[in-house]
Amino acid sequence: NAGVMQNPRHLVRRRGQEARLRCSPMKGHSHVYWYRQLPEEGLKFMVYLQKENIIDESGMPKERFSAEFPKEGPSILRIQQVVRGDSAAYFCASSPARGGTNNEQFFGPGTRLTVL
Amino acid sequence: SQQGEEDPQALSIQEGENATMNCSYKTSINNLQWYRQNSGRGLVHLILIRSNEREKHSGRLRVTLDTSKKSSSLLITASRAADTASYFCATDRGSTLGRLYFGRGTQLTVWP
Repeated sequence: NAGVMQNPRHLVRRRGQEARLRCSPMKGHSHVYWYRQLPEEGLKFMVYLQKENIIDESGMPKERFSAEFPKEGPSILRIQQVVRGDSAAYFCASSPARGGTNNEQFFGPGTRLTVL
Repeated sequence: SQQGEEDPQALSIQEGENATMNCSYKTSINNLQWYRQNSGRGLVHLILIRSNEREKHSGRLRVTLDTSKKSSSLLITASRAADTASYFCATDRGSTLGRLYFGRGTQLTVWP
């Protein structure tokens, strides 16, 4: 019973390149959340997706960032033209249900993005 | 802005002692959750406590929730060196959309 899987675990990019982060939710989970964590900080919500739908992207920067969760395959967080300030740990979480009193989310190990 | 505010920011104790961490929040909630994060790793879910619950136990963990004071505490009894980690509380701010709001965390160090 695999947990949430993320890859790559570490990603190094030069300024201006693209970063693609992948997340496979737990089996049976159809809700995926992406969070970003800066050093010495807590996690900050970015986007919430269900299969083929973006439910809440209010935490996503307006430019350069996009996310998708296709019918088949993992969820993808895409960062175009990366800048040094994008360096952070990006975590994906999944849950079997949407919000409410039982909104337990299960986190992946994260992808640590370093922009040179 | 951060929803949960944990205190203390850092806590150092000896093995065998109890560790208490607190979390305050500002809005109504459906539930509050505590997570642990070992250095450089992902988050591990510890306990979820619903807004109509006052106390919950899981092994050596005890969580309390006081909605009138908008605060929660996490107690780890008989701590071990392996409990060394950052501990975060997270709330949903009363939304059913599912997003969680995290505090900055408490860094707990347990010395052998």
